[in-house]
Amino acid sequence: EVRLVQSGAEVKKPGESLKISCRASGYNFIDYWIGWVRQMPGKGLELMGFVFPGNSDTRYSPSFPGVVTMSVDKSVTTAYLRWSRLRASDTAIYYCARVAGGWTLESHFDSWGQGTLVTVSS
Amino acid sequence: DIVMTQSPDSLAVPLGERATIKCKSSQSVLSTSINRNYLAWYQQKPGQPPKLLVYWASTRASGVPDRFSGSGSGTDFTLTISGLQAEDVAVYYCQHCYSTPFTFGPGTRVDIK
Repeated sequence: EVRLVQSGAEVKKPGESLKISCRASGYNFIDYWIGWVRQMPGKGLELMGFVFPGNSDTRYSPSFPGVVTMSVDKSVTTAYLRWSRLRASDTAIYYCARVAGGWTLESHFDSWGQGTLVTVSS
Repeated sequence: DIVMTQSPDSLAVPLGERATIKCKSSQSVLSTSINRNYLAWYQQKPGQPPKLLVYWASTRASGVPDRFSGSGSGTDFTLTISGLQAEDVAVYYCQHCYSTPFTFGPGTRVDIK
């Protein structure tokens, strides 16, 4: 069974850094793209970008230029999303999701993590 | 970038009746070489992550009840719930995966009338 388990909720202050995680199991981690999706309070889904665990290739959506850094650690089958300086507008739920197409990026998300709530407030 | 729109924004349907949601892309998401529409539908219930319902516009995901069906091609797509159940109350999103950035529609909220 494919599982994506995300780290717990975070409360941070503006200007602080943060790294959240998404641990994968039940499949060959290095063979499938992982995407990150933002959902601001009461709003819809926004795709932030993708990372390919096999070679750490990343594709960031134009709407999130330089806002976050995506990375992986193959040894623990975990993907990460990192902010160097948080802003109040980063308050949202962040989901990781597996792209069904394997090495092919152009495909749908077939499994989702449970989401990580990030609250940024002074 | 391909822009996705959905209609209506919300709808309320009596239990057991049909719910129809439309999704339109600003350009075609059909690959004519392999005759595949790069369009998926997701269901998001309150407090839960999205769940894949339909991919390639009309292929139901594993375990999804057959009252959910997807149709359409090119730029115009439809998700139909035939016989709405109480557990179908949710927000439904379409998403294209034709070319990056893959964008989601704004969502359609479905409630019971």
